[in-house]
Amino acid sequence: EVQLVESGGGLVPPGGSLRLSCAASGLTLSNNAMSWVRQSPGEGLEWVSVISGSGTSTYYADSVEGRFTISRDNSKNTLFLQMNSLRVEDTAVYYCAKGGYDNGGYFDYWGQGALVTVSS
Amino acid sequence: EVVLTQSPATLSVSPGEGATLSCRASQSVISNLAWYQQKPGQVPRLLIHGASTRATGIPARFSGSGSGTEFTLTISSLQSEDFAVYYCQQYYNWPLTFGGGTKVEIK
Repeated sequence: EVQLVESGGGLVPPGGSLRLSCAASGLTLSNNAMSWVRQSPGEGLEWVSVISGSGTSTYYADSVEGRFTISRDNSKNTLFLQMNSLRVEDTAVYYCAKGGYDNGGYFDYWGQGALVTVSS
Repeated sequence: EVVLTQSPATLSVSPGEGATLSCRASQSVISNLAWYQQKPGQVPRLLIHGASTRATGIPARFSGSGSGTEFTLTISSLQSEDFAVYYCQQYYNWPLTFGGGTKVEIK
């Protein structure tokens, strides 16, 4: 059974940094594209970033480009999102999500989410 | 960026009735479109990918259709557990984008 468990969320002031982790079980991250998707309180879904199965390709939403970095540790089967220069508008629940079996661009498994609150 | 417009924003339906949700893309995404269901306080769940392929374990009352720029999610006979928000998402172009959602509520 695939399980994705996020951690690392919390309260951070504007301009601060935070690193989210997503521990995976029941799948091998290096065989799958993995994304981060966020949802602001009461709002819709926004894709944030993806890392390819090979790890050689990463893409970012314009809203986080240059501030966020996606990575993974294959030995720990864990996905990361390093978030720097955080803004109030980055406040959201952040989900890690596994890419589909035939195309990594849709998401067939989701973690339970980690809440990030950016506030002074 | 591909903009996905979902309509209606809210759909009021009686249990047992059918529902048709629309998703329109600002440019063609061929068949690279997925649908998700999200209930309050819960994680999104994949319903449909490839515009019309049901995900594992999804009941047959959910069906997807369309290609190019016009897509539809049909729920043939709403059950109590189907009242939720539904999102479409395209994965043809970067950045990946979601529609604003359609809330299906009990009439």
